[in-house]
Amino acid sequence: EIVLTQSPGTLSLSPGERATLSCRASQSVYTNYLAWYQQKPGQAPRLLIYGASSRASDVPDRFSGSGSGTDFTLTISRLEPEDFAVYYCQHYGGLIRWTFGQGTKVEIK
Amino acid sequence: QVQLEQSGAEVKKPGASVRVSCRASGFTFTGYYLHWIRQAPGQRLEWIGWINPDTGDTKSAQAFQGWVTMTRDTSISTAYMQLNRLKSDDTAVYFCARRLGTGFAFDVWGQGTMVTVSS
Repeated sequence: EIVLTQSPGTLSLSPGERATLSCRASQSVYTNYLAWYQQKPGQAPRLLIYGASSRASDVPDRFSGSGSGTDFTLTISRLEPEDFAVYYCQHYGGLIRWTFGQGTKVEIK
Repeated sequence: QVQLEQSGAEVKKPGASVRVSCRASGFTFTGYYLHWIRQAPGQRLEWIGWINPDTGDTKSAQAFQGWVTMTRDTSISTAYMQLNRLKSDDTAVYFCARRLGTGFAFDVWGQGTMVTVSS
């Protein structure tokens, strides 16, 4: 089973700064199968990026996804106050294999 | 609007069963796979399984096979997940989520149902 490892665990940044979040897979994965979510306390996750780089509906263009093979990145170009949250990557590995990373918390510095 | 509405919080004793419901609105219930995902306190999201609301077909993660049951009632656009023989480490928030068409992500989520297992 493919394991997703996210880094860093916590990212301390100020509003207006750029955030770069990493998701590394334990083996090479198909880009179509990689997604990113944002989760705020007490809320359900929200889909941001699917297919590694396609933005979901109503997601601001300051969010972008990139990567291939084993290394994927979520970039937030300029942090807004509402972007401070936990971010998860997710991979589809087959009919019964959907896995998530352990998350990266983006906190206000 | 498109949404999934889940049933309320549950408190159960070890060994009991729990059933969580997920009512869909704003889209064709039988047109999208529905998945169940849980999140224990401070832990990563854990995928449980899916149901095809059109056919009733289900698949679950290996860790849940034999003790999770997923069903649906198309007349009321509602999916159900039942977890049996609960243990304390099943304490978690349980989410239902809609699969993004033919994509490999979840684009609509329920609000979550807190299940607490405690003696």
